[in-house]
Amino acid sequence: GENVEQHPSTLSVQEGDSAVIKCTYSDSASNYFPWYKQELGKRPQLIIDIRSNVGEKKDQRIAVTLNKTAKHFSLHITETQPEDSAVYFCAASIGASGTYKYIFGTGTRLKVLA
Amino acid sequence: GAVVSQHPSRVICKSGTSVKIECRSLDFQATTMFWYRQFPKKSLMLMATSNEGSKATYEQGVEKDKFLINHASLTLSTLTVTSAHPEDSSFYICSARDQFSHGYTFGSGTRLTVV
Repeated sequence: GENVEQHPSTLSVQEGDSAVIKCTYSDSASNYFPWYKQELGKRPQLIIDIRSNVGEKKDQRIAVTLNKTAKHFSLHITETQPEDSAVYFCAASIGASGTYKYIFGTGTRLKVLA
Repeated sequence: GAVVSQHPSRVICKSGTSVKIECRSLDFQATTMFWYRQFPKKSLMLMATSNEGSKATYEQGVEKDKFLINHASLTLSTLTVTSAHPEDSSFYICSARDQFSHGYTFGSGTRLTVV
């Protein structure tokens, strides 16, 4: 079945450094890739997303890149801050537009050390 | 922005009893809602897709008779965990898709503990 692999499972960086989280998806028909940030005991919050017709999207310190050929997409956080510490999930859409569902990656626990 | 309300946020129940969790879209209509289960330090596992006015679609391995889903209106879906057992203890989260924008919004989650 469809699946999304996410690496690394944990990531520790010094404050101010960059963090990169990578995901690989299996369904070549996937065309929408959101990233969520989840703090302990809280709901996932959408932080950035990308559609398959673009290769990169940036929003301040956060960027996402997509390689459709390789079925890879990555989250880049620059100038990390302690408040960036959380669990990050990638997801890939499965199904037709308007009716699709998400398959989530396994999550990355990011710790930003002050 | 879109808001999804999920209740209760926490519930403790005895083994053998049933628990109902509500997911409500407050300012948009959701023809589709999704129910996820999340174990500690684990990812979101899709349990079922809830469609307004029709039967839910369950993912492989999810018992439909144990996890009853009802989506009777465009703003409300419920998940009932029947005959709960300690292994059903988990964090359950719903997500609602806006009928028009197709954007997804998560509920705040329900932490179920079965004792």
